[in-house]
Amino acid sequence: QKEVEQNSGPLSVPEGAIASLNCTYSDRGSQSFFWYRQYSGKSPELIMFIYSNGDKEDGRFTAQLNKASQYVSLLIRDSQPSDSATYLCAFGGGELFNTGTASKLTFGTGTRLQVTL
Amino acid sequence: GAVVSQHPSWVICKSGTSVKIECRSLDFQATTMFWYRQFPKQSLMLMATSNEGSKATYEQGVEKDKFLINHASLTLSTLTVTSAHPEDSSFYICSAPGRSSYNSPLHFGNGTRLTVT
Repeated sequence: QKEVEQNSGPLSVPEGAIASLNCTYSDRGSQSFFWYRQYSGKSPELIMFIYSNGDKEDGRFTAQLNKASQYVSLLIRDSQPSDSATYLCAFGGGELFNTGTASKLTFGTGTRLQVTL
Repeated sequence: GAVVSQHPSWVICKSGTSVKIECRSLDFQATTMFWYRQFPKQSLMLMATSNEGSKATYEQGVEKDKFLINHASLTLSTLTVTSAHPEDSSFYICSAPGRSSYNSPLHFGNGTRLTVT
C-alpha cells in the first residue's frame, strides 16, 4: 500500500498556462506537507510547505491542502520552460513519526512536468 | 546559497571497496540528518536517520553494517558504503532540517552519484 500517490506524468502544459499537480497521502495523522522540485540528476529543492488546510501562495506557486480528503496540490501559474522538472510531494509528522524532534519525510514518486514553448 | 554541503558529488569505485560520503550543515547545527537513496526514475527512499552523539536509526531493509553512519559533530554526518557492489550504484542524498523542529522543511545536499564497477 503506497503511502503517497502521485501521477508520474508527464504532464505537459504550454508556456504561460497553469500547471496543476496533485498528491494524495494515506496517513491521516500527517502534519506537514512539502513540495520539492527536482531537475534531472540534481537533488530536490524546496518549493513550498503547508501545514494548515486551505491555500498558501508564494509568487507563482500556490499549495492547497485538504486534510479531510487527504490531498495536497501545487498550482504553478504562468508556467515557464524552466519549470520543467519532476515535482515531489512529501509529508511528515503524524503518528508514524516521533514528535518533538525533526521529522522524517515520506516522498511520492514525483510528477514530471513539461512546459512547452 | 546552499545550506547543506555534500561531498563528493560523484564517485566511481571498484566492487568490494568502501566509499565515504560527507554531509555538512552550513551556518546551522544539525542534531539530526537524514540519508536518502534514489534509484533512476524512482522516488527518494529514506535509508537512515543520523543522530549526533548516538547511533543512527536505520530503516527496515537497510543493512547497518554495510551503510555505516557517523554523526560525530553538530555539523557533519558521514555515510560509508562498505564493500560496495554494483547494486549499490545510486544517487545518495543527505538532508537536514533548517531547525530542529517537528515540522521543519528539509534542505538537501547536492547528492552523490555512486557508480560501482
